[in-house]
Amino acid sequence: GAGVSQSPSNKVTEKGKDVELRCDPISGHTALYWYRQRLGQGLEFLIYFQGNSAPDKSGLPSDRFSAERTGESVSTLTIQRTQQEDSAVYLCASSLTGGRADTQYFGPGTRLTVL
Amino acid sequence: AQSVTQPDIHITVSEGASLELRCNYSYGATPYLFWYVQSPGQGLQLLLKYFSGDTLVQGIKGFEAEFKRSQSSFNLRKPSVHWSDAAEYFCAVGIYGGSQGNLIFGKGTKLSVKP
Repeated sequence: GAGVSQSPSNKVTEKGKDVELRCDPISGHTALYWYRQRLGQGLEFLIYFQGNSAPDKSGLPSDRFSAERTGESVSTLTIQRTQQEDSAVYLCASSLTGGRADTQYFGPGTRLTVL
Repeated sequence: AQSVTQPDIHITVSEGASLELRCNYSYGATPYLFWYVQSPGQGLQLLLKYFSGDTLVQGIKGFEAEFKRSQSSFNLRKPSVHWSDAAEYFCAVGIYGGSQGNLIFGKGTKLSVKP
């Protein structure tokens, strides 16, 4: 079946602009995660949605970052007033139940470049 | 605090040679451990995972990993490397509790394969 998809695959923006990144999880997966991968670094957890529970936003680096998810489907990550340090690959993953033993399936990522 | 350390940033091996990628973790409870691979331009793909039981875990593409509690390690091995194994490898620990279902990743080890 279809995997996790993300759009756009690449985004170039100017400093100070807002951007929206989209993630379509695998159908039937109740959990959805956003990570950030800076050049040469590992993945940093940003936010986690599980079913109808309140999202875990503990990884969001500042209040410029926010994310929404509609039910158990699409999620958007919004970065307001982008800064150059926001340049990174943003990865989305989904898993069936959200437990820590669950396998997370990753999308190909959105490469964000802030000029 | 939970953490994952991959001591080797970059490893080069000859095709056909054996491979071992190191991973050490710091986590208070029983760890759930994962190895993911990221090929150029691709999303992360799960190679294998450990929850409990047999400490030697078999994964896809001929990889295996051994959990050693006494050493807090979960090293990834392959007896004979193929050129297609060139990629970046990430070790991760699954975090337990509350609404969190996220993974803590190491910074990755980049594998190059010499012909």
